[in-house]
Amino acid sequence: EVQLVESGGGLVKPGWSLRLSCTASGFTTSGLTFGDYAMSWYRQAPGKGLEWVGFVRSKAYGGTTEYAASVKGRFTISRDDSKSIAYLQMNSLETEDTAVYYCTRATFDRWGQGTLVTVSS
Amino acid sequence: VVMTQSPLSLPVTLGQPASISCRSSQSLVHTDGDTYLNWFHQRPGQSPRRLIYKVSNRDSGVPDRFSGSGSGTDFTLRISRVEAEDVGVYYCMQGTHWPPGFGPGTKVEIK
Repeated sequence: EVQLVESGGGLVKPGWSLRLSCTASGFTTSGLTFGDYAMSWYRQAPGKGLEWVGFVRSKAYGGTTEYAASVKGRFTISRDDSKSIAYLQMNSLETEDTAVYYCTRATFDRWGQGTLVTVSS
Repeated sequence: VVMTQSPLSLPVTLGQPASISCRSSQSLVHTDGDTYLNWFHQRPGQSPRRLIYKVSNRDSGVPDRFSGSGSGTDFTLRISRVEAEDVGVYYCMQGTHWPPGFGPGTKVEIK
């Protein structure tokens, strides 16, 4: 069974950094590997809807990244296909970044359980 | 692309049908001919679960009381007979245009 598990969330102060991980398993049951999928990060502020954060393409498509305007220049997404992990490096965190962060694969059929990031002084 | 949903709140009676509308500001027909409109359900404290993909295809394990329809810019999610486990927020989401985006959500609760 395909599983995505986010980790790395926590309570930090404004201006601090945090790195989230999204660890995947079970992808090979579909005949495709983790490396064959683009991976996205979304977030959900308390009581709010789902906001796209960013995206990393598969290596076959250059492994390039795209970001929402609200995080561009502060957040960086990367991937380690040998470990089946996608990362979200968050720098210069702001109180508005407080949210549950989810990872999902390109088909949106599998989501992690989310990890809570709280930015507060 | 802006996604809108109506209603934003939907009180329902157990065993009765329910319907949620989703509209996009642009046609969701992709150049490849497919329409990438998904429906998700999110229970409190849980991650989103995809119910429907490409307008009308139910995901594995999704009860057949859920159905999706529509085309172009107008889409509908229907629940034929609401059960208690169906409460939560329903989101439509488009994957045709960059970036993929969600509607604001419709909160379904039991009367």
